[in-house]
Amino acid sequence: QVQLQESGPGLVKSSETLSLTCTVSGGSISSFYWSWIRQPPGKGLEWIGYIYYSGSTNYNPSLKSRVTISVDTSKNQFSLKLSSLTAADTAVYYCARVRRDDYNGAPAHFDYWGQGTLVTVSS
Amino acid sequence: QSVLTQPPSVSGAPGQRVTISCTGSSSNIGAGYDVHWYQQLPGAAPKLLIYGNTNRPSGVPDRFSGSKSGTSASLAITGLQAVDEADYYCQSYDSSLSGSGVFGGGTRLTVL
Repeated sequence: QVQLQESGPGLVKSSETLSLTCTVSGGSISSFYWSWIRQPPGKGLEWIGYIYYSGSTNYNPSLKSRVTISVDTSKNQFSLKLSSLTAADTAVYYCARVRRDDYNGAPAHFDYWGQGTLVTVSS
Repeated sequence: QSVLTQPPSVSGAPGQRVTISCTGSSSNIGAGYDVHWYQQLPGAAPKLLIYGNTNRPSGVPDRFSGSKSGTSASLAITGLQAVDEADYYCQSYDSSLSGSGVFGGGTRLTVL
C-alpha cells in the first residue's frame, strides 16, 4: 500500500520561503506524476503543481512565479518550495500521487494522498 | 472563483438519492478530459471516490456513481447514509491554463 507523508515547519514568517517534503513509502516514485495541493482553512482545494519523476514540472499559473517543485528519486521524495509568503498562503498542504489518462497521457486523478500538514504564515 | 462550478451545498434524508453537479467549459470537461470526484470527511484528507468519470476504486460502495455529458459531470449518491455527510469535490484537467489540474469549489452534503 502506497503511503505519503508530508514534513516541514508548521509555522513560517511572512515574506519567507516555505519548504515541505513528501516521503513516499510502499512503492517507487518512478513512472508517476506527483503533486502538491493545498486547502486554506474552511475553503476548497487548490492545485499547486505537478512533477514527473524525471523532473519535468507544471505549475498553477496563479502561483508559478513563487513555486518550485523538485524530486529526489534516490530518497523516494519530492519537495515544495513557496516563496514570498503572505497570510493567504496559510493552509493545509497535501502531497498526492497522480495517475495518468490512459488515452492522452495527461495527468489525471489523485489516487493516494498524504494526511496533510497545516502551515501557518505569521507576520 | 473555481474553474469548475459546483453547488455550495446539497441535502437529503437517509435513504434518498442526491446528485452533485460539476460544470466546466470547452477547455476542460468539454475538451474530453475526464472528471474525478473526491470525498472529504471532516478533519481528513480527500479520498478518491470516482475516477475517469464513472469508475469506482476498490472499496467504494456502488451507492456512488458518476456521469459526464458535454461540459458537465454529476455525482449521484443513492441510499443516503449519515456517514456520507462530507464535502465533495470534482476535479479535471484544463488545457488552457498551461496544463493545470483544476478543482470545483466543493459541495457540502448534509444528511437530514
